[in-house]
Amino acid sequence: EPEVTQTPSHQVTQMGQEVILRCVPISNHLYFYWYRQILGQKVEFLVSFYNNEISEKSEIFDDQFSVERPDGSNFTLKIRSTKLEDSAMYFCAIDVLGVSGANVLTFGAGSRLTVL
Amino acid sequence: SQQGEEDPQALSIQEGENATMNCSYKTSINNLQWYRQNSGRGLVHLILIRSNEREKHSGRLRVTLDTSKKSSSLLITASRAADTASYFCATERGYQKVTFGTGTKLQVIP
Repeated sequence: EPEVTQTPSHQVTQMGQEVILRCVPISNHLYFYWYRQILGQKVEFLVSFYNNEISEKSEIFDDQFSVERPDGSNFTLKIRSTKLEDSAMYFCAIDVLGVSGANVLTFGAGSRLTVL
Repeated sequence: SQQGEEDPQALSIQEGENATMNCSYKTSINNLQWYRQNSGRGLVHLILIRSNEREKHSGRLRVTLDTSKKSSSLLITASRAADTASYFCATERGYQKVTFGTGTKLQVIP
């Protein structure tokens, strides 16, 4: 069983529609990340989330994006009004702090978003 | 600006050969990590090297870190077809912000 489950695996939506991507870790974690990867390109940091608050966010994470932990376990990324350029793979990651204290990430398999 | 830049962008080798990938970064770091990504899948953590370490080994992986040059290398020895993937270096910037490089696509030909 994967440590991080993401749903949906693939979503096709019309431009301007709202999209919610979900991330469910296998056990309780306090640290979450969202990344996106446009096909074949670099993995871009979007936002990190700790204890129900945003810790860091990138310039990509504008007002169109929001993150929530609605029920204490699921972790969601919402895109309010999708644009064509939002088409990408979106990865959720949890932070498994090792003995070193470094942020070592475990990724989900990703949600592919296609905006038409 | 991109924190990590890997080179080469793409590398194709024969099975059994060694593969070397390099990563350069711009700001000071606490540690540097390498991840692997199979096509269309999530990234998988491979190895972490701290800023006070110069070299680290894990199985067929060898990582070096030169903080004076702000660079790291990942060596995969005796490569296998299953090593075909993209490899990314990652650094931490600020609190809880892990940033990935541009990646090296490795193809190992059987």
